[in-house]
Parts: sequence; C-alpha cells; structure tokens
Amino acid sequence: NAGVTQTPKFQVLKTGQSMTLQCAQDMNHEYMSWYRQDPGMGLRLIHYSVGAGITDQGEVPNGYNVSRSTTEDFPLRLLSAAPSQTSVYFCASSSRASGTGQTQYFGPGTRLLVL
Amino acid sequence: GQQVMQIPQYQHVQEGEDFTTYCNSSTTLSNIQWYKQRPGGHPVFLIQLVKSGEVKKQKRLTFQFGEAKKNSSLHITATQTTDVGTYFCAGQWGAQKLVFGQGTRLTINP
Repeated sequence: NAGVTQTPKFQVLKTGQSMTLQCAQDMNHEYMSWYRQDPGMGLRLIHYSVGAGITDQGEVPNGYNVSRSTTEDFPLRLLSAAPSQTSVYFCASSSRASGTGQTQYFGPGTRLLVL
Repeated sequence: GQQVMQIPQYQHVQEGEDFTTYCNSSTTLSNIQWYKQRPGGHPVFLIQLVKSGEVKKQKRLTFQFGEAKKNSSLHITATQTTDVGTYFCAGQWGAQKLVFGQGTRLTINP
C-alpha cells in the first residue's frame, strides 16, 4: 500500500492564481481531511469528508474548496491564492472502525509559497 | 471551539536528559492521541489514550492521561538524537473532529 499520497510536493504561486492540491489514499478509509501547518500554530483543519459525496468545513475553510467524488481522492482547491495561504498542507485519512478513534494517517505534505 | 493547549512550545535538552510535554483541555476529553513529526516530515501516530488515569509505555516513551481526562503528558527518558522532532497531542470530544495542540519542538544537543 502506498498509504496517503500528495502532489505536488512543492508549488510557487502568484497572488490570484488558482490551483488544486491532490490527495489520494489506498486504504479504503472513509474519513479524509486537509490540514495546514504554520509555525507555532500546530495543525489546523481546513475541510474534511466522512465519505464520498460528503464534505464539511473545519476550523479555517475560507479560500479553499473541496469535493469527494470517490473514496480514494480528496482534492483541495485554492480559488484565488493569497500570501496568507503560504503554508505546508497535509492530507490525512482515517478509518471509521469502531474503537480506534480517528487515528490520522498523514501524507507527505505539499509546501506552498504564494508570492 | 474546543482547544488543546500544549506546553512548552520549544525544548532543548542535552542527549541523555529527560523530556516532557504537556497537553491540557478545559473540558473532558473522549480520548487523546499523540503524534511525532520529524523535521521536514509528516506527523506519525504514536498512541491513543482513552481511559481515565491510563498510562502506556513505548520503550523510553511514557504517555499518561489524567484522572479527569482533561490533561495528558508525554515523557521521554534519556533522550537520544533520534527523538528530535515536534510532538503533537490531539484531543477529541465525543464524535467531534480531532483538535491538535500547537506542538512541542524538541531539539537535542549530542
């Protein structure tokens, strides 16, 4: 199993540009989430999904869109990039299996710089 | 929203010294998880604590969950250079999403 994969690894954008961060998992996990990591801020939840066709907002959703058309894929779209979106983005997946809580399996991350 | 406060933010130790990081919630947690992130890497799950007063050990790492299920700690005995990284706790309240603490970045002087 590849686990959770993310592309690209690095990206530089200009203010106002749009892009999609890709995330895929091959563990048949129901839950998928997007986090951003900024220095001193820990991991903050952007959007999450509890299954195909179902998404919801997390703590910092503004400026981002998501969709979940399949169990495997959960792309994150930046509609109009802003310098404040410079961050490291992690995708994570977890199983809804009873008794295991929501242990998160993280992808390797995408480092985004918005100029 | 719910928050988990984690301290300290940074800790620098000499190799062989002990290290402890603490997490606190103002309300009772359902469970708490701990993750480790190596420099340049991604968070990796270490352990989950569910029961009041629970103590779990992984080699030199000891994890505790408070009696009131509002606080937790991670203690590393006799640190090694391989312990370098950022340690995160993540709390959960019922069926709500995990909320991560700010993390404690551990650096070690060999």
